[in-house]
Amino acid sequence: DAKTTQPTSMDCAEGRAANLPCNHSTISGNEYVYWYRQIHSQGPQYIIHGLKNNETNEMASLIITEDRKSSTLILPHATLRDTAVYYCIVRGASYGGATNKLIFGTGTLLAVQP
Amino acid sequence: DTGVSQNPRHKITKRGQNVTFRCDPISEHNRLYWYRQTLGQGPEFLTYFQNEAQLEKSRLLSDRFSAERPKGSFSTLEIQRTEQGDSAMYLCASSLRAEGTEAFFGQGTRLTVV
Repeated sequence: DAKTTQPTSMDCAEGRAANLPCNHSTISGNEYVYWYRQIHSQGPQYIIHGLKNNETNEMASLIITEDRKSSTLILPHATLRDTAVYYCIVRGASYGGATNKLIFGTGTLLAVQP
Repeated sequence: DTGVSQNPRHKITKRGQNVTFRCDPISEHNRLYWYRQTLGQGPEFLTYFQNEAQLEKSRLLSDRFSAERPKGSFSTLEIQRTEQGDSAMYLCASSLRAEGTEAFFGQGTRLTVV
């Protein structure tokens, strides 16, 4: 089962920041938080991941609370092309032959409105 | 090499026929994953390879399903005696065997069993 809880859907105005929350209260110390998104009929696209510290890349920022029980994905200036299902995933470390698979929930459908 | 490649992109088959899908991962990625996704759901894990070794299979992978990765490079997923319930998007992902690395997905093969 997925270890995360996300809202089913959210709306955001074009040009504004989109803040997508995720709860992962049972996260272990060596587990990372990953975010993927999936645009209709395409494969999931990697966005960002982090362990403890906040992370930023060209796509988004990831804010992880100090207790690591929740996180927020921030798209700073949402565009219509950001409309997609966003998945927050907790993933273990890659030790030995461990599968380290991604376990997806149902994600958050972000609808960016013009 | 620009990403994970899956072929074919679409497959329509009659019930009872066998189908085979191919996945070419990103070169030097030694981990390869297969997922299945039905409408409205997140991707579900099917199986995982580290190099040529199949290290984990989901209970979703019935005995009609078989996956191979003979030389640790490309992989095939075969479904024998297809059923209508096999209709889904089949996704492949690959990653490096390293701490905290991301997995990259292909565009998927959409199977329709009629």
